[in-house]
Amino acid sequence: RKEVEQDPGPFNVPEGATVAFNCTYSNSASQSFFWYRQDCRKEPKLLMSVYSSGNEDGRFTAQLNRASQYISLLIRDSKLSDSATYLCVVNMYSGTYKYIFGTGTRLKVLA
Amino acid sequence: NAGVTQTPKFRILKIGQSMTLQCTQDMNHNYMYWYRQDPGMGLKLIYYSVGAGITDKGEVPNGYNVSRSTTEDFPLRLELAAPSQTSVYFCASSYSMADTQYFGPGTRLTVL
Repeated sequence: RKEVEQDPGPFNVPEGATVAFNCTYSNSASQSFFWYRQDCRKEPKLLMSVYSSGNEDGRFTAQLNRASQYISLLIRDSKLSDSATYLCVVNMYSGTYKYIFGTGTRLKVLA
Repeated sequence: NAGVTQTPKFRILKIGQSMTLQCTQDMNHNYMYWYRQDPGMGLKLIYYSVGAGITDKGEVPNGYNVSRSTTEDFPLRLELAAPSQTSVYFCASSYSMADTQYFGPGTRLTVL
């Protein structure tokens, strides 16, 4: 089983739609969680950290469920500029920290 | 404040050639990392460094070497390029290993 799993997509949604991505992780020693955004042929950039209480940044909401070992990202009122690949990242501590990247979920927002 | 910079942006190598990928950060981060990203795959850690003079292997270190003589620079060396090393290479840095990592723009390497 992969340490971090994401649905690769693509998710094709119309502008204005709400879309949600899930990411599951296998190791309960996971300490911190992030969503990164990666545009085509560009570097990953931090979108938001994910906190136990959940957090929101404008149209983006991230949730963490430690009991079920998954994190989610909700995007409301999708824009064309949201089209990208969204990477789930889990930082795990097992003697040393280990940053594990999911393979990403591709989102295409259609006009 | 340029963040993390990488050179070159693109490179084509022949099998058996060697090259050094450069990475520099100006955020005074102690932690630096090298990843490779293959199509449809997650980023894989090649090497990392916790400070000047200290480096350690990641998940896929074979065929690569690193050094860290200063806080700012963390070059990655390919000694005998192989087609399996065709990939996009990203350098990253962070304040601590528990913190957000900031990435450079990447180097696209093709080995023919």
